[in-house]
Formats: sequence, structure tokens, C-alpha cells
Amino acid sequence: DAGITQSPRHKVTETGTPVTLRCHQTENHRYMYWYRQDPGHGLRLIHYSYGVKDTDKGEVSDGYSVSRSKTEDFLLTLESATSSQTSVYFCAISETRDEQYFGPGTRLTVT
Amino acid sequence: AQSVTQLGSHVSVSEGALVLLRCNYSSSVPPYLFWYVQYPNQGLQLLLKYTTGATLVKGINGFEAEFKKSETSFHLTKPSAHMSDAAEYFCAVTASGGSYIPTFGRGTSLIVHP
Repeated sequence: DAGITQSPRHKVTETGTPVTLRCHQTENHRYMYWYRQDPGHGLRLIHYSYGVKDTDKGEVSDGYSVSRSKTEDFLLTLESATSSQTSVYFCAISETRDEQYFGPGTRLTVT
Repeated sequence: AQSVTQLGSHVSVSEGALVLLRCNYSSSVPPYLFWYVQYPNQGLQLLLKYTTGATLVKGINGFEAEFKKSETSFHLTKPSAHMSDAAEYFCAVTASGGSYIPTFGRGTSLIVHP
């Protein structure tokens, strides 16, 4: 299995609070991605990174920011969480345009 | 631009029956095509992929898929369903040139009845 971990695995937070999710890889892959998964919507790309300090927006980036200061870590921040951001968040990595490897997911509940 | 359509959000089969999950794609360049499987409370894992070469691709757990360019399809099949196949299945496409960002279908939930 690809070495990808996500932390925390579960989190409950209140509306308006900042939240940071962490994705850590041990594969030294160049590309990293954050997705959210919601019933009926499948996987939707939030942000992605193509190298250290190189990031770009996905289709549902509003309300989210990311940072990648090291190859192995990709952080997703919700500056002020809203109930619409309750979701399961997945990190993925890839080396090329080939297959992606996914982390175990973080279940976030915003109350 | 690229897109993926998975026909049927839910597919129900009996144990031992044929599994057929449909995926159609659009891509302006030759595609790379993937099927991923997601078991409950887990991340996605690769089932099989097509990049170049043989159009019939075999994957794990007895699944296979055939790339049909003329039909822009990449349907997933398995001759005989097992209870352990019950999961969510996602089809994805990446362009072989240009953007490497994959596009995922909305997923198909496979239900297997005893």
C-alpha cells in the first residue's frame, strides 16, 4: 500500500472555527490532491499541488486554502468552517498522469 | 475538456450473476481510463487501468474492462459476482496529453444479493 496518512481521521467542529487537515506521504510523489466526497456528487477536486509551493484550484475551492511547504505534506485549511463543508475529505497522490493513490479519508462534521 | 458518465447510481445483482458497470467518457485527446473501488469507510483503490496497448484490461478480483474508442466506453465486468464485491465503483479519465488532472464519474454502488 502507498504510504499516505491523513489526520485527523474524524473531527467535529463548530461553524466559524478554522480547521486544518493534514495529508502526509512517504512515496515522494510529485502531485497531491484534496477531494471531498458527498452523496450524489462523487469525488470533487478542491485543490491540487504539482510541487512544493506550487498549488492550484479545483472545481470546489471556495472556502478552502492549501499549503505545501514540503514534498511529503499537503495541508487543507477551512478558514471559517460552514455546515456545507461537512463531508468526507480524501487526499490522493500520483507521480504522473497515471493512477492515484488515496488516503483513508477524514470525516469532518461542522455543527 | 473531459467528462465521465456512469450510468446507474446503483446496480443490484445476485451472487454468481454477471456484473456490468457502465462508463462513458469524453476527451479531446487519447484518454487514460481507470476504475477504482471503494469499500465502506475506506479510500479508493485502483481496480484496473487502460493507458495504451491492449484494449481489454484485466484487474484485481476478477474484474476486467474493455476500452472501445468508437463507443467512448470503458465498461467494467465480472463474470460472477461475489458478496465481497459490494462496494462503490468509480470510473475516471485523464488526458494522455495536456492537463493531468483526472475527472471522476459520480460512482456506482454495487449491491450483491445472496
